[in-house]
Amino acid sequence: AQKVTQAQTEISVVEKEDVTLDCVYETRDTTYYLFWYKQPPSGELVFLIRRNSFDEQNEISGRYSWNFQKSTSSFNFTITASQVVDSAVYFCALTPSNTGNQFYFGTGTSLTVIP
Amino acid sequence: GAGVSQSPSNKVTEKGKDVELRCDPISGHTALYWYRQRLGQGLEFLIYFQGNSAPDKSGLPSDRFSAERTGESVSTLTIQRTQQEDSAVYLCASSPPTGARNSPLHFGNGTRLTVT
Repeated sequence: AQKVTQAQTEISVVEKEDVTLDCVYETRDTTYYLFWYKQPPSGELVFLIRRNSFDEQNEISGRYSWNFQKSTSSFNFTITASQVVDSAVYFCALTPSNTGNQFYFGTGTSLTVIP
Repeated sequence: GAGVSQSPSNKVTEKGKDVELRCDPISGHTALYWYRQRLGQGLEFLIYFQGNSAPDKSGLPSDRFSAERTGESVSTLTIQRTQQEDSAVYLCASSPPTGARNSPLHFGNGTRLTVT
């Protein structure tokens, strides 16, 4: 089975706090790709990051960082020093190697950053 | 350049009527996806096109739903005899020939469908 679980439905933080969005996935494939997308109030999903299953190096991009751990099947996303513009719904997604480009999305985490 | 374009942006229809939703992918993108997002919910896969063939239609919820694509261009999602449960935002996404695994999906702004 292919599945992505984002257990946190809604999170509220005060501006400048750090926040971590959890993503746990299930797949039988040994090769797969993981993604995070941001959906701001305007509605258009915006790509944030892609990670393949052979690369467990954590990645940092400005205030964003991602922690990929195959041992726990998790691909968590941390925003440091959150800002009001970070308020959005964040989706984690999985695409296994042998499903012909099928993407499996989690149900999303709605983040509200309070000024 | 231009992104994925969807039309209309909003559609209100009466129960039982047919609707057509249109998606113009990014030029050169061979893969095209349709997703449905109900209010407060995640993305529900509907159908995937590679070129104008649809290798994966597994997500279409009923035979009232159909989709077609002209070449590697425009796609139309048709919902016949709409029901109130069809109310949702319908999102289209495309990706280039290198494959979605090597490239992210590029999403449109979606069509918000309301069935009254």
